[in-house]
Amino acid sequence: NAGVTQTPKFQVLKTGQSMTLQCAQDMNHEYMSWYRQDPGMGLRLIHYSVGAGITDQGEVPNGYNVSRSTTEDFPLRLLSAAPSQTSVYFCASSYSGRETYEQYFGPGTRLTVT
Amino acid sequence: QLLKQSPQFLSIQEGENLTVYCNSSSVFSSLQWYRQEPGEGPVLLIALYKAGELTSNGRLTAQFGITRKDSFLNISASIPSDVGIYFCAGRPTSYDKVIFGPGTSLSVIP
Repeated sequence: NAGVTQTPKFQVLKTGQSMTLQCAQDMNHEYMSWYRQDPGMGLRLIHYSVGAGITDQGEVPNGYNVSRSTTEDFPLRLLSAAPSQTSVYFCASSYSGRETYEQYFGPGTRLTVT
Repeated sequence: QLLKQSPQFLSIQEGENLTVYCNSSSVFSSLQWYRQEPGEGPVLLIALYKAGELTSNGRLTAQFGITRKDSFLNISASIPSDVGIYFCAGRPTSYDKVIFGPGTSLSVIP
């Protein structure tokens, strides 16, 4: 199993550009989520999904869109990049049931917006 | 932030024991402890589900508070490879999402 994979590893965007961060898992996990990590702020939840076709907002959803058309993939779209979105983005997935919230993380995408 | 952690930074000598605390004004259905090494994603250390539950994983011990609003993580006989950022994370009652605390950065002096 590859686990949770994220692409790209690094990205530089100009203000106003849009892009999609890719996340895929091969563990047949129902639950997937996106976090951003900024110094001193821990990980803040952007969006999450409890299964294909179902998504919901987390703590900091503004400026981001998600969709979940398959169990395996959960892409995160930045609509119009802003410098405040410079961060490290982590995707995570987990089993359903009692272990639903024990999350497996990808390696992260380091995004810089200039 | 819904989850608070203390201390924010911790520097100890190799071989010492340490405790990290996590608390909230909200009730959580479950709570987990993760460790993150530089340049990596967090990795699950311990998961807690029942009020008062005490769980160990090698040199790590964690307990979920009776009120389900707090927890601690204890690491005994620290070693240099324990360095990293330790996060508590939990699912607030009636929600199906997981939120993280701000983290505790640990350094171990050989």
